[in-house]
Amino acid sequence: DVKVTQSSRYLVKRTGEKVFLECVQDMDHENMFWYRQDPGLGLRLIYFSYDVKMKEKGDIPEGYSVSREKKERFSLILESASTNQTSMYLCASSRDRGETQYFGPGTRLLVL
Amino acid sequence: GQSLEQPSEVTAVEGAIVQINCTYQTSGFYGLSWYQQHDGGAPTFLSYNALDGLEETGRFSSFLSRSDSYGYLLLQELQMKDSASYFCAVYNQGGKLIFGQGTELSVKP
Repeated sequence: DVKVTQSSRYLVKRTGEKVFLECVQDMDHENMFWYRQDPGLGLRLIYFSYDVKMKEKGDIPEGYSVSREKKERFSLILESASTNQTSMYLCASSRDRGETQYFGPGTRLLVL
Repeated sequence: GQSLEQPSEVTAVEGAIVQINCTYQTSGFYGLSWYQQHDGGAPTFLSYNALDGLEETGRFSSFLSRSDSYGYLLLQELQMKDSASYFCAVYNQGGKLIFGQGTELSVKP
């Protein structure tokens, strides 16, 4: 089974802090994705990556950056956390194309 | 722009059949995916339709009509454990999934 793990299930940070969310997949998938999920808005794509050191902006990249130094690891960075970044963050990976994605358990981030 | 519409809530009784509709507007359409998410859990892949027609996987079936920009997820012999949120998602030429807002399905005894 594909396993996607995220570094934390719950995280509380203060406004202005730099926040790192880590995601690791163990199935040698080429593609990795970061979403945020908010009530009534579904899942919105923040960034995605097709290969090591490659990244593409999703639909809501503002306030975020990403890093993919190794194939299995994709990190989401909040450079200066703000209260409107309080959300559930989901990481996903896929092989080849992206229509079948495997999600991690999510990190629920609260920014105070 | 790109948009998907699906009902926000659906309620059905155990053993019944329920259909969750999804209409979409997008450019560079490749196919339609469905995901299930239980409360507090991760979304899990259910199905993907690239061609018109019905795909069946056990109690779940998914349908696509590309000409109508429409699809649906059909759940048969509903069980309590099917209570969850269901998301349709368009897969487009940008290699991205664009998700709908989700349909919360409540199965009553």
